[in-house]
Amino acid sequence: SQQGEEDPQALSIQEGENATMNCSYKTSINNLQWYRQNSGRGLVHLILIRSNEREKHSGRLRVTLDTSKKSSSLLITASRAADTASYFCALSSGSARQLTFGSGTQLTVLP
Amino acid sequence: DAGVIQSPRHEVTEMGQEVTLRCKPISGHDYLFWYRQTMMRGLELLIYFNNNVPIDDSGMPEDRFSAKMPNASFSTLKIQPSEPRDSAVYFCASSSTGPAYEQYFGPGTRLTVT
Repeated sequence: SQQGEEDPQALSIQEGENATMNCSYKTSINNLQWYRQNSGRGLVHLILIRSNEREKHSGRLRVTLDTSKKSSSLLITASRAADTASYFCALSSGSARQLTFGSGTQLTVLP
Repeated sequence: DAGVIQSPRHEVTEMGQEVTLRCKPISGHDYLFWYRQTMMRGLELLIYFNNNVPIDDSGMPEDRFSAKMPNASFSTLKIQPSEPRDSAVYFCASSSTGPAYEQYFGPGTRLTVT
């Protein structure tokens, strides 16, 4: 199964700034999901975008999906120190229920 | 709901010993997933169940690994015998049958094999 590739691998910003991370993939998808993982914890689902959607918002999160470029981006606006975590994209494709996770972007928000 | 529950949270064992990890999915969820996370390999799907039946175990690394789901509220992942390279964080996740596929993860079990 395919895997998403996140970019950048690591990102460090100041509190209040926006953070953008990207995910690219190779084959068609049903949906793409973003998860957050705080250090030493399990992953937490953030947002899901379906293949027929182009943009979704949830609070300070904005996700875009470009199926022609096979890429997605996650934007966190007005970042806070509490946003410090690893962020993963996860792909759902075919008829299977499993997700394939990328290697993640480590976001550090400096106070 | 208490969320996905995993036990133990930490396990330290010696090479060659049997290790059993446990998971209780969210009530009403009929999909259960076992993952392994390491720095080198990231998050890998080991096996998943639907209605207690294993659907895809192609990620199980070796015959030393086995997983069972005797009922809708309990699953185990067993490693016998354990090896140092099995050291990782093992996550259990569950999801419901719905059009959305979001998964709910447990806190993980950190396994160290010495």
